[in-house]
Order: sequence, then C-alpha cells, then structure tokens
Amino acid sequence: GAVVSQHPSWVICKSGTSVKIECRSLDFQATTMFWYRQFPKQSLMLMATSNEGSKATYEQGVEKDKFLINHASLTLSTLTVTSAHPEDSSFYICSARDGQGIGGELFFGEGSRLTVL
Amino acid sequence: LAKTTQPISMDSYEGQEVNITCSHNNIATNDYITWYQQFPSQGPRFIIQGYKTKVTNEVASLFIPADRKSSTLSLPRVSLSDTAVYYCLVGPANQAGTALIFGKGTTLSVSS
Repeated sequence: GAVVSQHPSWVICKSGTSVKIECRSLDFQATTMFWYRQFPKQSLMLMATSNEGSKATYEQGVEKDKFLINHASLTLSTLTVTSAHPEDSSFYICSARDGQGIGGELFFGEGSRLTVL
Repeated sequence: LAKTTQPISMDSYEGQEVNITCSHNNIATNDYITWYQQFPSQGPRFIIQGYKTKVTNEVASLFIPADRKSSTLSLPRVSLSDTAVYYCLVGPANQAGTALIFGKGTTLSVSS
C-alpha cells in the first residue's frame, strides 16, 4: 500500500537553530501534503497544507515565517522550524492522500519528534 | 468539515469485543467515515473506512446507520496490543487537497 515516510524520526537542537523535516510519498505522487503537530496527550492539530509548486496554506494561528514549508516535487515536502524555541518541541506528522485509492485514504508518516533545548 | 464526538476513554479486557461510537451529526453527502489508530510516538494508522451500512476487514468492522449521523467501530477480541488512541474522522473522499481534522479521539486501555 501507499507509504509516507518522514525523516528524521527524532531531532534535538539548541534554541535559536533551525530544523528541517522531510516528508516523502514513496509510491504515489502527492500534489498536496498536510502537516500536523501533536503535543503530549493531545490530538493532532493541522498546521498547514503543502501544495506542490505553490505556496502552502497555513491554519489560523500558525506562523508561516516560523514554519517554512516547501513542496518542490510531487513526492517531497519539507517543514523547516526556524529559530526554534523550547515551546516548538512537539511531534510533527505529515500526511498525504493517494488520490487514486478507494475513498482517497489519507496516509501518515511515522512522525518526527523535535526537542528544543 | 463535519465535527465528530467520541468518548474520551474506554477500558476493556483481553478477549472482549469493543465498540467505539462516534457522532457526526453534520456529515455531508459526499463524506466518508474513516477510523485511525495511533500508538504513542507514531503516526496514525488506517483501520477502516466506510460510507454506509457495514464494512468489515481483517481487523475491524464499521457499522453506519442509514442516517449516517453516527458510526461504530467494532474491534473483536481485543488484545493488550490494541491499547491505543482511536480517531473517527469524517471528510470527502477522492479530494486529494482536503485535509482531515482530528477530534480528541478515544483512548482504549486493554487489561489482562
């Protein structure tokens, strides 16, 4: 079945540095990918919709200058957390929908755990 | 997108059948109902999806009444490894550009 892969699975960085997380659709093309954030004991919160070849669409309250999204190809979207601070520590999850699948199933990556010291 | 309501938590014992009901009163005509399972520090995993009546696969069954305002995920003979958070999501199918919005989910705890 369709697979979405993220890298890295976990990362620790110092406050003020930037971190890039990659999301790849391995066996299907995804013109759109979605980025979620999940804090401990909470549900997934949609951050932004990544569109191949165009600007991402951010949800209300998500800073576009802090969370840079690039979707340069049909199989890769990246999320860069710029000038990270401890409050950005979270579990970041990407997803993509295989438009050819029955019902358009949404596939999720393994998630990336970011810890900002 | 239709809002969903699920019980916050449920407890069960190994070998029992577990039924988790989700309410989605504002479901639209072209919306599908999809259930996901999430373990700690992992991305959600697809369990089952349906539009109406009953759907069954190797791990679960999904019951959807005629008015589609609710759905019930049925897990037969649960084991300890079924302890996880279960999310019910409602949204249009075959729209690659449409995200799914997560509710709070149901934390299922299975004991021996």
